[in-house]
Amino acid sequence: EAGVTQFPSHSVIEKGQTVTLRCDPISGHDNLYWYRRVMGKEIKFLLHFVKESKQDESGMPNNRFLAERTGGTYSTLKVQPAELEDSGVYFCASSQGRESSPLHFGNGTRLTVT
Amino acid sequence: EDQVTQSPEALRLQEGESSSLNCSYTVSGLRGLFWYRQDPGKGPEFLFTLYSAGEEKEKERLKATLTKKESFLHITAPKPEDSATYLCAVRRNTGTASKLTFGTGTRLQVTL
Repeated sequence: EAGVTQFPSHSVIEKGQTVTLRCDPISGHDNLYWYRRVMGKEIKFLLHFVKESKQDESGMPNNRFLAERTGGTYSTLKVQPAELEDSGVYFCASSQGRESSPLHFGNGTRLTVT
Repeated sequence: EDQVTQSPEALRLQEGESSSLNCSYTVSGLRGLFWYRQDPGKGPEFLFTLYSAGEEKEKERLKATLTKKESFLHITAPKPEDSATYLCAVRRNTGTASKLTFGTGTRLQVTL
């Protein structure tokens, strides 16, 4: 089965610009998550979708970040306007509906804001 | 607040030299402790889930164990291909059970 796919793999933008990250989860996975790792820190939770609904967005840093999941399929994470501290690796993960199901991660998008 | 501390930060082993990685955790209502392996430029790859103290899981040269305060990832007779960063994460008892709290990982290098 195809894994979690993220686009782009790398993005370099200037402060103040907008960037949109995309995630395609594993087919049939209702749960979709966004996580972020900034330099030298641990991977941190951003938010969780169940199908098209936001289940938990307590990890979103501020209102410059907007996540959507169209029709319960792929998801986008938009950062507008980007700030220097937004640099890091953004991971998407998906899991099946059972609570015990492990999260399967994509390879991440490395975002650099200059 | 949930906390996960992994040690050591980095570990260098010779091929065949067994060792253990530690993950100490503090969480209110553990609903799973997860071990992941991460290679450079890749996302975390799921290894194990442990749910209760005393539980053990094995996969090839890896064995994970769990107590009420920590988990160990034992690596027996490692090979160079076991070189990676090993991540530990906990999931707490919440209505959504969605959020994993990660440690910063242990970077393992296995040399010939």
